[in-house]
Amino acid sequence: NAGVTQTPKFQVLKTGQSMTLQCAQDMNHNSMYWYRQDPGMGLRLIYYSASEGTTDKGEVPNGYNVSRLNKREFSLRLESAAPSQTSVYFCASKKAGTSGSSTYEQYFGPGTRLTVT
Amino acid sequence: GDSVTQMEGPVTLSEEAFLTINCTYTATGYPSLFWYVQYPGEGLQLLLKATKADDKGSNKGFEATYRKETTSFHLEKGSVQVSDSAVYFCALSGDMGGSEKLVFGKGTKLTVNP
Repeated sequence: NAGVTQTPKFQVLKTGQSMTLQCAQDMNHNSMYWYRQDPGMGLRLIYYSASEGTTDKGEVPNGYNVSRLNKREFSLRLESAAPSQTSVYFCASKKAGTSGSSTYEQYFGPGTRLTVT
Repeated sequence: GDSVTQMEGPVTLSEEAFLTINCTYTATGYPSLFWYVQYPGEGLQLLLKATKADDKGSNKGFEATYRKETTSFHLEKGSVQVSDSAVYFCALSGDMGGSEKLVFGKGTKLTVNP
């Protein structure tokens, strides 16, 4: 049981290049998320997918697109990278709904460190 | 909208010292509250959570109590260890159409010296 996996771990892009960050989970979770982490900013939600076939914008979606390929996989695409997208990107997944009054926790991947020059 | 404010770091303590990291929140309704921990070079992992007023979450010697009257969820540990050095994030869950999202504080970096 690998949990949430992300590839690549590190990436350097030039301004204007495109790339796709991959995320997969093997916990049969319905909900998946993409965050970016910047110094002093905490984590900010880029996009999320409540279930297979649906995606929605989060707090900072501009410059990104996502695809929920199937229940396991949720990719994040940068069509034309900009230096402002230099960040650490985390994917997370969660079982949908609640257990009694308790919401389920989100499980995070190890992150992708992206630098755009 | 929902928001979380936690004390800014960095925090530097000696081993066996008492730790408090303050966290307050603004939210509509009755969110669940979380503390996540991020060790160097890793993703976030859940440390503890509380789902309703007066609940106490606890794990690995850390505790936090959900205080609705003060909208707070402060993290405490009686005796920190070097291995507790990490970044700690306070978060709350808000509903977004059935897929709860997390709203995070900015994180507090803790360094524990031997």
